[in-house]
Amino acid sequence: EAGVVQSPRYKIIEKKQPVAFWCNPISGHNTLYWYRQNLGQGPELLIRYENEEAVDDSQLPKDRFSAERLKGVDSTLKIQPAELGDSAVYLCASSFSSGRAGEQYFGPGTRLTVT
Amino acid sequence: GNSVTQMEGPVTLSEEAFLTINCTYTATGYPSLFWYVQYPGEGLQLLLKATKADDKGSNKGFEATYRKETTSFHLEKGSVQVSDSAVYFCALITSRSSASKIIFGSGTRLSIRP
Repeated sequence: EAGVVQSPRYKIIEKKQPVAFWCNPISGHNTLYWYRQNLGQGPELLIRYENEEAVDDSQLPKDRFSAERLKGVDSTLKIQPAELGDSAVYLCASSFSSGRAGEQYFGPGTRLTVT
Repeated sequence: GNSVTQMEGPVTLSEEAFLTINCTYTATGYPSLFWYVQYPGEGLQLLLKATKADDKGSNKGFEATYRKETTSFHLEKGSVQVSDSAVYFCALITSRSSASKIIFGSGTRLSIRP
């Protein structure tokens, strides 16, 4: 069974530039999560999807961050414009359902460096 | 609010040593508790879990017991191997409803010397 796929693995951009991250969850997993992981910290939830609906985006900085999961499968997270403080690892995870949120499968992450 | 506190790393041990990584939590209600592991260059993986008080989760030689009286979920292994070198995250989730959200600790980096 293929795991959660993310791309790119690494991205270096200058501040004020846009950037996008892509995630393909495990087949059959209805719930998809985007996290931000700062250096030396645990992951922090940015947004959670149930199928194509964003059901928890309370931690997403909506002035510059956006996300979509149009067909309820793969998802894209975008930052526009990026700021220096956005440098972090962006993790995507999926679970069969929200009821099994403790059993999440994570992708390897995208390491973003904003210069 | 809900939170997880882990011992700070890095933790460096020799192969075959006994491992303990401390984890305590603060939560309303009755949380489920988890340990995730992140090997170099890989995503987090669920290592073990416990869903109620006195439950013991175990996997790959690792164990953790849900202690409600001390609000702890310490990770232990009797004899570590070099391949156990990774970052370990303690986590909790407070509800099984659709509104549940997992809260992670800050992680503990473990390095095992041959």
